Amino acid sequence: EPEVTQTPSHQVTQMGQEVILRCVPISNHLYFYWYRQILGQKVEFLVSFYNNEISEKSEIFDDQFSVERPDGSNFTLKIRSTKLEDSAMYFCASTLGLAGLQETQYFGPGTRLLVL
Amino acid sequence: GDSVTQMEGPVTLSEEAFLTINCTYTATGYPSLFWYVQYPGEGLQLLLKATKADDKGSNKGFEATYRKETTSFHLEKGSVQVSDSAVYFCALGYTNAGKSTFGDGTTLTVKP
Repeated sequence: EPEVTQTPSHQVTQMGQEVILRCVPISNHLYFYWYRQILGQKVEFLVSFYNNEISEKSEIFDDQFSVERPDGSNFTLKIRSTKLEDSAMYFCASTLGLAGLQETQYFGPGTRLLVL
Repeated sequence: GDSVTQMEGPVTLSEEAFLTINCTYTATGYPSLFWYVQYPGEGLQLLLKATKADDKGSNKGFEATYRKETTSFHLEKGSVQVSDSAVYFCALGYTNAGKSTFGDGTTLTVKP
């Protein structure tokens, strides 16, 4: 069964450093998402992406964050200058994107980011 | 805005006990409802879903019915196993690939 993959599974970085989290969505899916889950807390929406542009973003997704689809398969989340509070599990998700249908989001296994 | 409220955990049960995890929601539209499961150290897996009122989602012995009148989507299982120990998240989402809104999650521990 097709699945969303994410790399790396774990990343440790120093505060102020840039990190790029990578995702490969399911190949025929058109909508892509990033969520994060701070340890012990709920899963929070960050951003959705369609047709090479952001379609929706949350208050969390400030200027330190950016997303990109650099090629036909990867979908990346960049954090420009990491802060301690960016430590979290980051989940990528994708949906098929057929208008009018009830969509299921398929989640990747997550990247656990630790900012020291 | 939309929100999802789950019963507070953690929940500890003995094997073969009956499980209920309550979930209620507020929504501006007519969402689909989901239950996700997160096993220790792993990502989110879709457990079941329901797309309209009175639909029942089911999978692996778990069930939940979309109740519009009570705005609820309670998760139930008749006989839990140790392997069901995980965190369970209730969520809602919309058509046209909108974002999902999650509850806080409920940690279930099943003891032999």
